[in-house]
Amino acid sequence: NAGVMQNPRHLVRRRGQEARLRCSPMKGHSHVYWYRQLPEEGLKFMVYLQKENIIDESGMPKERFSAEFPKEGPSILRIQQVVRGDSAAYFCASSPGGEQFFGPGTRLTVL
Amino acid sequence: EDQVTQSPEALRLQEGESSSLNCSYTVSGLRGLFWYRQDPGKGPEFLFTLYSAGEEKEKERLKATLTKKESFLHITAPKPEDSATYLCAVQANQGAQKLVFGQGTRLTINP
Repeated sequence: NAGVMQNPRHLVRRRGQEARLRCSPMKGHSHVYWYRQLPEEGLKFMVYLQKENIIDESGMPKERFSAEFPKEGPSILRIQQVVRGDSAAYFCASSPGGEQFFGPGTRLTVL
Repeated sequence: EDQVTQSPEALRLQEGESSSLNCSYTVSGLRGLFWYRQDPGKGPEFLFTLYSAGEEKEKERLKATLTKKESFLHITAPKPEDSATYLCAVQANQGAQKLVFGQGTRLTINP
């Protein structure tokens, strides 16, 4: 059973561009979570999704950030008009309903 | 607001020198307390879940314990490959299933 997959592993964007981060959960897992880890800071919750539904987006910045988990395909975290402060590691986790299992992360660098 | 504090921030041990890492928490009703291991440049790796005070779980050289206010991760006779950052997180009973993480303890085991 493959683990949580994230791509790309590294992403470089210039200020003002869009970043799209993808997450494929473990087989059989219907819960997906996104977390952000800023340099020298801990992991912070962003959003929790189930298929086609956003359950909790209390950790998402109000502007420029959106997430989806469509019926078919991976979950997508989208950041519009990126700024330097968006540079961070973004981790996706999936769960069957209990423990959360993390992917390897996408490291976003904004130039 | 749910909060997790880990101590120490960093710990250096000699190979074979046992010690404990602390995780203090405040949460509005604990659903579960989770321990993860994170290696540089990788995603958190799940270690343990503890649900109620008095519970203990073991895996190789690691043992996790839980009280009503804190959890300890005991490491017995560590080896250099145990070097990593150890993360503690809590999940509250109410609301969605997000994890609230501490800042982590960076453990280094010298040969």
